[in-house]
Amino acid sequence: QQPVQSPQAVILREGEDAVINCSSSKALYSVHWYRQKHGEAPVFLMILLKGGEQKGHEKISASFNEKKQQSSLYLTASQLSYSGTYFCGTETPGNTGKLIFGQGTTLQVKP
Amino acid sequence: NAGVTQTPKFQVLKTGQSMTLQCAQDMNHNSMYWYRQDPGMGLRLIYYSASEGTTDKGEVPNGYNVSRLNKREFSLRLESAAPSQTSVYFCASSEIGGEYFGPGTRLTVT
Repeated sequence: QQPVQSPQAVILREGEDAVINCSSSKALYSVHWYRQKHGEAPVFLMILLKGGEQKGHEKISASFNEKKQQSSLYLTASQLSYSGTYFCGTETPGNTGKLIFGQGTTLQVKP
Repeated sequence: NAGVTQTPKFQVLKTGQSMTLQCAQDMNHNSMYWYRQDPGMGLRLIYYSASEGTTDKGEVPNGYNVSRLNKREFSLRLESAAPSQTSVYFCASSEIGGEYFGPGTRLTVT
């Protein structure tokens, strides 16, 4: 089952904050976050593992609520370079190594 | 390091033609993947390979075959292309952690 991302799109001014949510109907082993700019390949941002371990970039953070089967990506003090489409990818126990991606959230940061 | 490379970058096929998309990685990763991306659909896993010599189906394997030639290379074959296979195809590789994507192949089937 594809995870559901919200919102579908968001427009920000530079310096504003944004939160992107990813919700699954299945128990999760891990959640990955990727950013894709138009016409380019997705780029790995971070992974959140069951048990609370987090990896990734300093300026963008994320949380993983295993009980609620949800993850949120936090972008603080947004920069123009944050513009793009953000995807979450989820792994379920028993299907580790296979990511199911959400439909994406388009973020546009304006000057 | 080139990372993940894919060939060709663009391809136009007629319905019924066959072709092979090539992918190679130089990061010594065990796992490799093929995805397709359609507008508004996100990325969908076609096949993946957890290690050399193994392959497994993803969400949308019908109409495709794969070969894990060695640790570096993972190819995707369309035996008889159909217009529904018009898409952008991405190859990716990973070890423990995130996946690293190639630049993609834009395939149009007419």
